[in-house]
Amino acid sequence: AQSVSQHNHHVILSEAASLELGCNYSYGGTVNLFWYVQYPGQHLQLLLKYFSGDPLVKGIKGFEAEFIKSKFSFNLRKPSVQWSDTAEYFCAVNPLSSNTGKLIFGQGTTLQVKP
Amino acid sequence: SQTIHQWPATLVQPVGSPLSLECTVEGTSNPNLYWYRQAAGRGLQLLFYSVGIGQISSEVPQNLSASRPQDRQFILSSKKLLLSDSGFYLCAWSRAGPRDYRTDTQYFGPGTRLTVL
Repeated sequence: AQSVSQHNHHVILSEAASLELGCNYSYGGTVNLFWYVQYPGQHLQLLLKYFSGDPLVKGIKGFEAEFIKSKFSFNLRKPSVQWSDTAEYFCAVNPLSSNTGKLIFGQGTTLQVKP
Repeated sequence: SQTIHQWPATLVQPVGSPLSLECTVEGTSNPNLYWYRQAAGRGLQLLFYSVGIGQISSEVPQNLSASRPQDRQFILSSKKLLLSDSGFYLCAWSRAGPRDYRTDTQYFGPGTRLTVL
């Protein structure tokens, strides 16, 4: 079945460690890709998005993601995490062949950063 | 700027009771509107979306229904709640264009936590 997979369900890091969260999707054709973040007690917020062009996209708060078409992946990275990055992270895909704006979400990754 | 509101924030309802969750968007016109649900331990699942007043598309068969009585109002309803309806319900909006979704981005509301007992 077509899906979006986030490999890490729960990640624990110390401050200043590097972060990489995996996201793979199984849709063929053109896709839009997103990472959303939900900080404790806050709305789901857009972290970054990829539509086309440079496969390395930069988002807010020092996050970046790389689209690798051949691997159907859109991994999220940050060189040095902070305690304030503790949150739940969701990868989402819009397969444009659906001709709608609907998003297919991964299960989410809970990131805990220890001070 | 655009804002999206959902209410109530939390709700505890008995099995078999009706449900009405409301979502409204300010600062834009003719948005695309979406209802998602996040069940415990699972990702967000799209339930309904709407591209205009009275236009509702359902993504999964279920005990719920949606309506869009006004341009910026989206309502999620049920006549009789089930235990399995418990979850976190999120409303989202995006800009409606000429049905070109190549640059479509969704923005989410604060959500409603529903517990069915």
